[in-house]
Amino acid sequence: AQSVAQPEDQVNVAEGNPLTVKCTYSVSGNPYLFWYVQYPNRGLQFLLKYITGDNLVKGSYGFEAEFNKSQTSFHLKKPSALVSDSALYFCAVRGLGGRRALTFGSGTRLQVQP
Amino acid sequence: DVKVTQSSRYLVKRTGEKVFLECVQDMDHENMFWYRQDPGLGLRLIYFSYDVKMKEKGDIPEGYSVSREKKERFSLILESASTNQTSMYLCASSGAGSESYEQYFGPGTRLTVT
Repeated sequence: AQSVAQPEDQVNVAEGNPLTVKCTYSVSGNPYLFWYVQYPNRGLQFLLKYITGDNLVKGSYGFEAEFNKSQTSFHLKKPSALVSDSALYFCAVRGLGGRRALTFGSGTRLQVQP
Repeated sequence: DVKVTQSSRYLVKRTGEKVFLECVQDMDHENMFWYRQDPGLGLRLIYFSYDVKMKEKGDIPEGYSVSREKKERFSLILESASTNQTSMYLCASSGAGSESYEQYFGPGTRLTVT
């Protein structure tokens, strides 16, 4: 069975500071990893994914994520937070050869203060 | 751009009513999914379909059924709505190849059962 843990319900950061949203996963074999963002009353928007290759993945809106196989982590990062980054962030995983659906974490609310 | 549409943004139904939620995608995707989203629980998979007339149970299928008669359309059916099915329902679709594992989401239907 595959699973995702997002240990922080909420992350608070000041505008202009770097941000990190944490994610760890458990899956058989090599993982496919994803980050999504959800703004209020909207569906989920795809941010970035790791399939293979470079451990540092760059995505939309200046976000990036680092895949760490030994720590089974895929933390989302941004060098300089914006107030408009405030939203709900979900990490998701799919295992190679596993079921076609993604398994999502419980979500982390990011609040960026002006 | 992939577009996933859902038939209603907001829906209010009475206990015991039969409820239909419809989802349409315009990218000829093989896979379609229904999730429910509840605070603190993230997204939980109800059912998914990988081809017309094919379906598989997700993690929480009880009280739900699905129908996929055409490739672009995936319906979620609540046979007899109950108050514990009050939730946000999200539909998603994805392609078949490994480069297409990311899922594209509709805007969601917020269902209230009274």
